[in-house]
Amino acid sequence: DAGITQSPRHKVTETGTPVTLRCHQTENHRYMYWYRQDPGHGLRLIHYSYGVKDTDKGEVSDGYSVSRSKTEDFLLTLESATSSQTSVYFCAISDIQGSQPQHFGDGTRLSIL
Amino acid sequence: GNSVTQMEGPVTLSEEAFLTINCTYTATGYPSLFWYVQYPGEGLQLLLKATKADDKGSNKGFEATYRKETTSFHLEKGSVQVSDSAVYFCALSDPRSQGNLIFGKGTKLSVKP
Repeated sequence: DAGITQSPRHKVTETGTPVTLRCHQTENHRYMYWYRQDPGHGLRLIHYSYGVKDTDKGEVSDGYSVSRSKTEDFLLTLESATSSQTSVYFCAISDIQGSQPQHFGDGTRLSIL
Repeated sequence: GNSVTQMEGPVTLSEEAFLTINCTYTATGYPSLFWYVQYPGEGLQLLLKATKADDKGSNKGFEATYRKETTSFHLEKGSVQVSDSAVYFCALSDPRSQGNLIFGKGTKLSVKP
């Protein structure tokens, strides 16, 4: 299994609070991704990174920010959480974009009350 | 834009039955195609892939053929087992769109003994 660790695995918080999710990889892969998974929507890309300090928006980036200060860590921040951001969040990594698959972490279940 | 459409679930089969999960895609370029599987409580795992027309991906008894003429990548297995119960996602990666993955909504498969 690819070395991807997401933390925390579960979190319950209140509307309006800041939340940071962490993805840590030991594979030295260049590309890292954050997705959210919701019933009826599959997985949707939030943000991705193509190198240290290089990030770009995905399909559903509103309300989220990311940072990548080291190759191995990719942080997802909800500055002021809303109930619509209740979801399961997955981090993924890949060493080449395109034809090579992405490898996924086990997910973080986030509930915003 | 790029998109993936896969058959609605859930799909319920008896053990040893034949499985087909339909997947069609729309892409501006020449995408790579993937099937991922998600077991309960886990992240996504790559099941198989195909990178060009007429390629057949296969793994664990599952197969899918990249059909450019019908823009399809249907997943098949000749004899399913209870352990195949999971959610299956079809996805594409288009180099003309940064190579990011676009997923279908997923199809839940339940196999009964």
